[in-house]
Amino acid sequence: ETGVTQTPRHLVMGMTNKKSLKCEQHLGHNAMYWYKQSAKKPLELMFVYSLEERVENNSVPSRFSPECPNSSHLFLHLHTLQPEDSALYLCASSQDREGTQYFGPGTRLLVL
Amino acid sequence: GENVEQHPSTLSVQEGDSAVIKCTYSDSASNYFPWYKQELGKRPQLIIDIRSNVGEKKDQRIAVTLNKTAKHFSLHITETQPEDSAVYFCAARDYGGSQGNLIFGKGTKLSVKP
Repeated sequence: ETGVTQTPRHLVMGMTNKKSLKCEQHLGHNAMYWYKQSAKKPLELMFVYSLEERVENNSVPSRFSPECPNSSHLFLHLHTLQPEDSALYLCASSQDREGTQYFGPGTRLLVL
Repeated sequence: GENVEQHPSTLSVQEGDSAVIKCTYSDSASNYFPWYKQELGKRPQLIIDIRSNVGEKKDQRIAVTLNKTAKHFSLHITETQPEDSAVYFCAARDYGGSQGNLIFGKGTKLSVKP
C-alpha cells in the first residue's frame, strides 16, 4: 500500500487558487501517469511520463500542468480550475509503458 | 483508437453465488487486459490480468476469460463474499491511437449480500 503515495488526500480550492498535487513512487518504476476519475465515467488518462519525458498529453486543458523532476516524483500543478474539474485524481506508475500499473490512493479535489 | 464497453454497470448477488462481468473492446491489436478492484474510498488495485496468447487465467476464486475472435473478455468471481463488494474496472491496452495506453471501462459496482 505504500508503493505509490499521493498528497494531499483531499483538497478544496477556489477557482482563482493555485495548488499542486504530488505523487511519489517507491517501486523503481520508469513510467508515471495522471488519471482523472469522475463519477459514472471511465478513468481518463491525462498525462504519461516515461523516463521523465512527457510522452502523452490527452488534450488536457492548460489549467492542468504536469511536472516530472525525476523518475520517482510527479506533480500536477493546478490553476484557475472550474467546478467541473472536481474529481478524484489518481497517480499510477509502471516499470515501463508495457508494465502493470500501480495506483496511488488519489487526491479528492473539490473546486468551488 | 480503442473503445471498451463494460456490463453490467451494477450487479447484486447473494453471498456464495457467482458474479460475471463482461467487457468488449474494439482494437484487434490489443494484447493485454487487466482487471482492477476499487473498494470505496480506496485506490484501484490489480486483481488479475490476461494476455492475448492465453484464453483463460485463474487465481483462486477469480478467473478471466478472453475471446479474441469476438473481442470480449470476462471476469468470473465464484463463491462471492461480502468483501468482494467493490467497483470493478476492466481495461484494454490500445495500440491503435494511444501508443499502448490503457483504456478503461466505466466500471461495475458489485454488491454481495450476506
